[in-house]
Amino acid sequence: DGGITQSPKYLFRKEGQNVTLSCEQNLNHDAMYWYRQDPGQGLRLIYYSQIVNDFQKGDIAEGYSVSREKKESFPLTVTSAQKNPTAFYLCASSTTGGKDEQFFGPGTRLTVL
Amino acid sequence: GENVEQHPSTLSVQEGDSAVIKCTYSDSASNYFPWYKQELGKRPQLIIDIRSNVGEKKDQRIAVTLNKTAKHFSLHITETQPEDSAVYFCAASVYNNNDMRFGAGTRLTVKP
Repeated sequence: DGGITQSPKYLFRKEGQNVTLSCEQNLNHDAMYWYRQDPGQGLRLIYYSQIVNDFQKGDIAEGYSVSREKKESFPLTVTSAQKNPTAFYLCASSTTGGKDEQFFGPGTRLTVL
Repeated sequence: GENVEQHPSTLSVQEGDSAVIKCTYSDSASNYFPWYKQELGKRPQLIIDIRSNVGEKKDQRIAVTLNKTAKHFSLHITETQPEDSAVYFCAASVYNNNDMRFGAGTRLTVKP
């Protein structure tokens, strides 16, 4: 299980506030990802990063922003522009070569009141 | 971009029976197809994967088949057990492209 962590496990915010979700990995993986999980919709890709200082939008990037200043860290900011931010957010990492298995963090459940 | 569809969304089987989950994908360039299992309250974990140079792969009670011509792949679980109950996700990506797309998931319930 270990190697990739997310914090906090539960997060509550008021509508209109930006909030940043943490994701850290010590697996020495180059690639990192953010997914949003809603009931019945599987895992939808928000952003991914293949290398430090580089990232690409996924399918539902609107209202979200990321940074990749360090290999180990890939924080996700949910901005006030995200219309329906309440969801379960999963971070993952993988090597850029080799097997391509993605290792997931335990997730953060964000509730916007 | 890649679009992955997964069926059925829910599946209930009796313990000992087999379960089959099917996925289709749209991008003919996709060549890596993993399956993840997510137990209630836990993170998704890889259970098996297949690459486009093979048509079938088995690991004990789990097998995956791939039909590249038809662009579909399936997960087969034999002799199901209650601990197989979980949500299963298929995914597709171009190998080493790091841009993976997931299906919507199948909630499998194995009744004792």
